[in-house]
Amino acid sequence: GQSLEQPSEVTAVEGAIVQINCTYQTSGFYGLSWYQQHDGGAPTFLSYNGLDGLEETGRFSSFLSRSDSYGYLLLQELQMKDSASYFCAVKAAGNKLTFGGGTRVLVKP
Amino acid sequence: GAVVSQHPSRVICKSGTSVKIECRSLDFQATTMFWYRQFPKKSLMLMATSNEGSKATYEQGVEKDKFLINHASLTLSTLTVTSAHPEDSSFYICSASGSDSGGFWAFFGQGTRLTVV
Repeated sequence: GQSLEQPSEVTAVEGAIVQINCTYQTSGFYGLSWYQQHDGGAPTFLSYNGLDGLEETGRFSSFLSRSDSYGYLLLQELQMKDSASYFCAVKAAGNKLTFGGGTRVLVKP
Repeated sequence: GAVVSQHPSRVICKSGTSVKIECRSLDFQATTMFWYRQFPKKSLMLMATSNEGSKATYEQGVEKDKFLINHASLTLSTLTVTSAHPEDSSFYICSASGSDSGGFWAFFGQGTRLTVV
């Protein structure tokens, strides 16, 4: 089976940096991906790490260490619009995704 | 970029009736689509994998006779909630994902908020 752990909530101010950690226990791991979901909306894909290391996409970066079964999403230069839930998800065979519980990020002025 | 369109966005139905949710891939062909269910402030739970031209693969604990999935074409998958009850009220989301030379990608429909009264 698959299980993923991530913090339930993080609060930060505009302009700050937030790191959301994700640890996982899986069988058949192919990669770790991240998603953003605003209240009432559908998830949107942010990034994917299939190999160890850092992937940077604008203000958001994602990191993976396969040996540690650990990854993180880094949100830089936080903006009010970044207030949302963020999910890590393990990709298994057949492109199936298992999601973590989600981290609610609250950005304050 | 690829777009997945889901309809309806909201539906209210009476207990005992059935509701059909459509999920379309607008500019690509999806041989596989995924259906998720999400309760308020909770994570997405995979219900089933919809396979074009063959039977869906259901996750453990999901009643296949209650949640009927049809994937008759490369651009359309449907989820029918049969004999709906209030406990079926939830946010249902379809998704298409895949891997290519550019890496992994995933797109989600807008979601359907089902309320059974």
